[in-house]
Amino acid sequence: GAVVSQHPSRVICKSGTSVKIECRSLDFQATTMFWYRQFPKKSLMLMATSNEGSKATYEQGVEKDKFLINHASLTLSTLTVTSAHPEDSSFYICSASYGHHSSYNEQFFGPGTRLTVL
Amino acid sequence: GNSVTQMEGPVTLSEEAFLTINCTYTATGYPSLFWYVQYPGEGLQLLLKATKADDKGSNKGFEATYRKETTSFHLEKGSVQVSDSAVYFCARRGVGSQGNLIFGKGTKLSVKP
Repeated sequence: GAVVSQHPSRVICKSGTSVKIECRSLDFQATTMFWYRQFPKKSLMLMATSNEGSKATYEQGVEKDKFLINHASLTLSTLTVTSAHPEDSSFYICSASYGHHSSYNEQFFGPGTRLTVL
Repeated sequence: GNSVTQMEGPVTLSEEAFLTINCTYTATGYPSLFWYVQYPGEGLQLLLKATKADDKGSNKGFEATYRKETTSFHLEKGSVQVSDSAVYFCARRGVGSQGNLIFGKGTKLSVKP
């Protein structure tokens, strides 16, 4: 089946620093990638949707200048948390889908990245 | 609104017990519905789905039926195994054309031998 990886799996950083999280589709070309955030005991919340070669579409309430998303190739999307603060500590999950009609295609999920900001 | 509500866990069962995890949704129209499973240390995996009313999704002994009358998509399994221990997420397709998903909070299932 389609495999999606994330790196790093967990990261601890100091407040004020920036952290980059990578999401890769290992055996398929992902036309669309999604970034979710999961708080403890809460559901996954969609942060943004990115299509290769174009700007990401952010959900309401998500700061695009704080959560920079780049989808430069069909196999890689990155999420950069800029000037991280303790309230950004969370579990970040990406997913990827392929095909011309992404609304009908299955999403394949990465294993997630645990971010802790001290 | 557009949301998904599923029963809170954790759920602890003995092996071979019957499992039900309730899930209801709100939506305009009839979105596709999904159950995802997350095993410890792994990413979410699609367990089963239903794309229209009265459809039944099934996989690995799990079943869920799309009930438009009750706006529900309850997950069931007749006899659980220890290997079924995981977190289960109910989800519906979002409104946008990009195919985003709206998830419930997840239900942790622990099966004891």
